Amino acid sequence: AQSVSQHNHHVILSEAASLELGCNYSYGGTVNLFWYVQYPGQHLQLLLKYFSGDPLVKGIKGFEAEFIKSKFSFNLRKPSVQWSDTAEYFCAVVNTGFQKLVFGTGTRLLVSP
Amino acid sequence: DTGVSQDPRHKITKRGQNVTFRCDPISEHNRLYWYRQTLGQGPEFLTYFQNEAQLEKSRLLSDRFSAERPKGSFSTLEIQRTEQGDSAMYLCASSFPGDTQYFGPGTRLTVL
Repeated sequence: AQSVSQHNHHVILSEAASLELGCNYSYGGTVNLFWYVQYPGQHLQLLLKYFSGDPLVKGIKGFEAEFIKSKFSFNLRKPSVQWSDTAEYFCAVVNTGFQKLVFGTGTRLLVSP
Repeated sequence: DTGVSQDPRHKITKRGQNVTFRCDPISEHNRLYWYRQTLGQGPEFLTYFQNEAQLEKSRLLSDRFSAERPKGSFSTLEIQRTEQGDSAMYLCASSFPGDTQYFGPGTRLTVL
């Protein structure tokens, strides 16, 4: 069965620090990959997605992620975080032959001003 | 607001009672999904519809759970004889086939 691992459950950073959140998935077929973000009190929102093409994808608010097929990874990065990036981040995968998203357990990011 | 909407946002019920949640998807989307999220976990797939047809159900969806999408628009999720273990956030999402799923705000269920 598909699974998604997010290595960091809680991350605390100061403003302007760089961010990298790890995501690995287990599935050998063709997948679509997503990062969703949930800001405090808000619903899940799409941050960025990879379907095909350039493995380096850019999302909203300066986030980017790189798909490395050989490592089954889709790590999220941001060069300089802001206090407003405080949120929970979820990596998710869907096998293109199926419909359900499989989520990781999430990473809670706290950015201190 | 043209996003996915869910009602109610919060529901507190006593064990053994039945509850029903509603989801209104983005109007052009013909796919509708239900997920459940418990504390400290990511959302878990429950079921999905294409138009009015329910095409897949997770093993998480016991026989106490039923979902409908009678006219291919809004959907309802009913839980019969609720148990404390049903306490969770119930999320609805919608999409075009094979495309990004957009989520609603969720219904938080507390079973006392």
